[in-house]
This record gives sequence, structure tokens and C-alpha cells, in this order.
Amino acid sequence: ILNVEQSPQSLHVQEGDSTNFTCSFPSSNFYALHWYRWETAKSPEALFVMTLNGDEKKKGRISATLNTKEGYSYLYIKGSQPEDSATYLCAFPPNTGNQFYFGTGTSLTVIP
Amino acid sequence: ETGVTQTPRHLVMGMTNKKSLKCEQHLGHNAMYWYKQSAKKPLELMFVYNFKEQTENNSVPSRFSPECPNSSHLFLHLHTLQPEDSALYLCASSQESQLETQYFGPGTRLLVL
Repeated sequence: ILNVEQSPQSLHVQEGDSTNFTCSFPSSNFYALHWYRWETAKSPEALFVMTLNGDEKKKGRISATLNTKEGYSYLYIKGSQPEDSATYLCAFPPNTGNQFYFGTGTSLTVIP
Repeated sequence: ETGVTQTPRHLVMGMTNKKSLKCEQHLGHNAMYWYKQSAKKPLELMFVYNFKEQTENNSVPSRFSPECPNSSHLFLHLHTLQPEDSALYLCASSQESQLETQYFGPGTRLLVL
């Protein structure tokens, strides 16, 4: 079992604030790093799949960076809106087998 | 709508019951997955099927029995479950490899009494 850690566990921000959180994963056996957003009572929804060290991906106000050498990825949300409230999960599939290891997630609440 | 459906959405069963969870994907994917989410724990991968063949079984107790009759359908057969098996069970699918995005169903909330 590989350890995928996310911090912080939860976060409350005011509408309009920018925020970021971290996913840490083993730097060996790297294959890809996935980010998902999971709103209450809905299915987890894919945000990004990142594969290259130094990669940066963007989707609207959300962006992510990847450092495979030190084993971390940051997710940034610029100008948070109430609809950004959700749990943000990262998932790490190592380069052997068909495993997926998820972090426990960061629960974001954006206060209007 | 993600293109992955699960039924039932909620299930209450006794420890001696037998029930099945169903997952169907309409995305033309070749890989399907069962996950379990217990309170305050990360999503745990239970089973993986690629092209209808089981490729991963993460030491899941035999009271959980998966079945994949074709690339579009995945079942999880449940029998003699324990109260600690109460959890949210999520199905997902992807094109093939772990490089690709997984699309999740809405889950089945299971309560074992």
C-alpha cells in the first residue's frame, strides 16, 4: 500500500479568496497523478491527469502543478466561488499493476 | 451525468441477505473498477477489470464477489456481509490504462444491519 497524503484536511475561505492545497505521493514508481473534485451527493469528477515533471494544467480558475522528483502536486483555485465547495481528491497510480491510491481529500468550503 | 450508472442508490441489508450492486457504463470503455469508501478513509480500490478480465483483487474478503459479463456491465455480489462493510460503493470506468481519467458513478450507499 502506498501513502498518498493531502493537506489540509479541510479549508474554509471567503468568496473571492484564492487558495491552494497539496497532494504528496511516493516519488519512485511515478506514472501519473490525477485530481478529482467530489461535490456532495454527486460523482467524483475528473479535473486533471498529470504525467510530466514540471507540468502545469489549467481549467478555468483551477490550476495544478506537478513535481515528480519531490513527490508533490499543488492545486490552486483563484477567486474562489461558493460552487467550488467540494472535496478535492488526488489519486496516484504507480507504474506497476493496475492500482489506484487515493488521498483522503481536502474539503473546501467557500463562504459567500 | 458521467455516463456511468449504478443501482440501487441505497441499500439496507441484513447480515444473512444476498444482494447485488449493478454498474453500467455507456462510454465504450474497456476498464471498470469497484471502490469502497468508508467514513474518514480514502477511496479504496477493490477490483479492476480490463477487457472483462479481473486484473486486480486487493485482498477483498470473499463475501464480495465481482462479475463482469461484458465491458459495459459490472456487478458486485454481496453475501453474509458484516456491519463494518457499511460504506459507499463506487463504480468507475476508463478507456484502458491508469493514464486515463476514470469516470465515476453516483455510488450505492450500503447499510448492513
